[in-house]
Amino acid sequence: EAQVTQNPRYLITVTGKKLTVTCSQNMNHEYMSWYRQDPGLGLRQIYYSMNVEVTDKGDVPEGYKVSRKEKRNFPLILESPSPNQTSLYFCASSYGGGRPNNEQFFGPGTRLTVL
Amino acid sequence: DAKTTQPNSMESNEEEPVHLPCNHSTISGTDYIHWYRQLPSQGPEYVIHGLTSNVNNRMASLAIAEDRKSSTLILHRATLRDAAVYYCIRVAQGGSEKLVFGKGTKLTVNP
Repeated sequence: EAQVTQNPRYLITVTGKKLTVTCSQNMNHEYMSWYRQDPGLGLRQIYYSMNVEVTDKGDVPEGYKVSRKEKRNFPLILESPSPNQTSLYFCASSYGGGRPNNEQFFGPGTRLTVL
Repeated sequence: DAKTTQPNSMESNEEEPVHLPCNHSTISGTDYIHWYRQLPSQGPEYVIHGLTSNVNNRMASLAIAEDRKSSTLILHRATLRDAAVYYCIRVAQGGSEKLVFGKGTKLTVNP
């Protein structure tokens, strides 16, 4: 089954404790991205990757890192989480190539709470 | 800036058609119109997209105005499972494929 998976689905952590949220897709997609969703602010893009070893900032990249060493994986790293990073996070992927008619596939979400 | 305008909420009865409008009066000639929906406690899900012509798929139909300044997502027979927030999104040619989500339309389906 074609899918985007995220782990963990739920995470409660404390300020400053490094964490990684994993994202994996099995569709051989070139493009992957991370969004966060907050009440009243909607979904906003954090980082995206057009292909392996190619990443770039989205609209709200501060406090986050990403890497794209393999095509299927795109982990989101919070080196020193803070309470304002408490949010619902979604990973997405598509075939890429900058084509505006691409369908994007989203993961089920990771609910992160930083105390 | 989502660059699209949608009603905050709409209500429908089960098994009736639903027409969800979207205004995108500043759309450029090469922007596609995409619709995604987000069911409660789930990630966004692609519904349909189009450029100029009306489009149909197994989930819905998309009617695009001749001047492309507006479009309508049509669910032919709403079910309780269609209750979700529906997002109308412009996607530009040659961009980063970023989806700019607005507030969307929250659709309530009554049994």
